[in-house]
Amino acid sequence: DAGVIQSPRHEVTEMGQEVTLRCKPISGHNSLFWYRQTMMRGLELLIYFNNNVPIDDSGMPEDRFSAKMPNASFSTLKIQPSEPRDSAVYFCASNLSPGPLHFGNGTRLTVT
Amino acid sequence: DQQVKQNSPSLSVQEGRISILNCDYTNSMFDYFLWYKKYPAEGPTFLISISSIKDKNEDGRFTVFLNKSAKHLSLHIVPSQPGDSAVYFCGMNYGGSQGNLIFGKGTKLSVKP
Repeated sequence: DAGVIQSPRHEVTEMGQEVTLRCKPISGHNSLFWYRQTMMRGLELLIYFNNNVPIDDSGMPEDRFSAKMPNASFSTLKIQPSEPRDSAVYFCASNLSPGPLHFGNGTRLTVT
Repeated sequence: DQQVKQNSPSLSVQEGRISILNCDYTNSMFDYFLWYKKYPAEGPTFLISISSIKDKNEDGRFTVFLNKSAKHLSLHIVPSQPGDSAVYFCGMNYGGSQGNLIFGKGTKLSVKP
């Protein structure tokens, strides 16, 4: 079991640049979640998909954020344009509903 | 306003003693409660869960207690071991799914040898 795979592990970019985070969920899982962790807000849910369909994106902070899941084995979270306040650790997680979440090791994003 | 609160950012315990981590919530609709453990540079990993129809669930050294009237969740670790040193998050949701969880901000547990 390879677990949830996220790339890159670290991303440093300048304000205004586009950032794309990638996630490969565990094979056979039917739901995928994007979380963001910051000191101020802790772990907050941004968006989740069920069977590749976005179900709830109410946690996406602004229109600068978008997420896609073109197939069952791949998802992206894009920030365009990026801002310093987007600096955080972004986690992807998957589960076979209604089981517990399995998290990836996260992408640490720094926007300067 | 935060629906899930972990009021202790950190906790230090001696090896072999009991660790008690606490979590309070405001939404009485929550019906599934979980604890996750997180080591540095890793993602959170599932530890133990409890549904609202129970008030206690035990798994080895880990026991989760739920007090619905007080809207309070706790995790007991007995005996504590240095390898338990990590950040612990409580998460909860309603509707029977363990997926789209609302988490507390976490408590950093340090177990001293």
